[in-house]
Amino acid sequence: DGGITQSPKYLFRKEGQNVTLSCEQNLNHDAMYWYRQDPGQGLRLIYYSQIVNDFQKGDIAEGYSVSREKKESFPLTVTSAQKNPTAFYLCASSIAGGLSGELFFGEGSRLTVL
Amino acid sequence: QKEVEQDPGPLSVPEGAIVSLNCTYSNSAFQYFMWYRQYSRKGPELLMYTYSSGNKEDGRFTAQVDKSSKYISLFIRDSQPSDSATYLCAMNYFGNEKLTFGTGTRLTIIP
Repeated sequence: DGGITQSPKYLFRKEGQNVTLSCEQNLNHDAMYWYRQDPGQGLRLIYYSQIVNDFQKGDIAEGYSVSREKKESFPLTVTSAQKNPTAFYLCASSIAGGLSGELFFGEGSRLTVL
Repeated sequence: QKEVEQDPGPLSVPEGAIVSLNCTYSNSAFQYFMWYRQYSRKGPELLMYTYSSGNKEDGRFTAQVDKSSKYISLFIRDSQPSDSATYLCAMNYFGNEKLTFGTGTRLTIIP
C-alpha cells in the first residue's frame, strides 16, 4: 500500500539534544512538507521541498533543519535552538506543489521535551 | 488578523443532527477550498475539495463556498459517532506552493 511513514511515533528528548524525525513516502510525489500542530494553532508549515536537493523555509523554520537527498525521504531535525519543541509533527506529500490542494499526511510524530 | 479564521469549538451534537462547520478568510485570491478530517492522534485526510463558489455534495457531506462573503462551510447530515474528529479548512490559489489552514474545529457526536 502506498503512503507516508513517519517514525518514531512518540519521542522523548532532554533539553539541549537534537532529534531527527523520519518521513518516507512511496507515492512517487515530488513535493513534501513538514508541519507542526499545537492545540488551538492549527497546522503551521516548517519546511517544504518541491524537488530533490531543494527546500524552502515555511512560516516557522527557526530551530529546524531538513534535507532532501532522495525523492522518497524528507527527514526533519529539531535542534536545540528550537525554543518550544514539544509538539505533534506531521509530514505530508503532494503530487506537485500545493496547487491541487490534496496533501497526503503521515500519522505524525509526537515529540516531548523533558 | 489571521488569513483564515475557524471556530475551534469544541462542538458537541447528538447523533443524527445536522452539523455546520465554518471558516472565514480575508485573502480574496483564494480559489481552491478544502476540508480535512483528523481523528485523534492521526494525520489529517482530505474530505472535500471545491473550486470557486457553489456547493459540492458527497454522500452525507456538503461543502459550500461563498466567495463574495469570503465564507466556506461544511455540512454533515445524519451525523454519526464516527464523524467525531477535528475538521480543518484549508485554501490555496493558483501558483502558490503552500496551503493555508484554519485552526480546526473539534467535533463530538453524542450517541
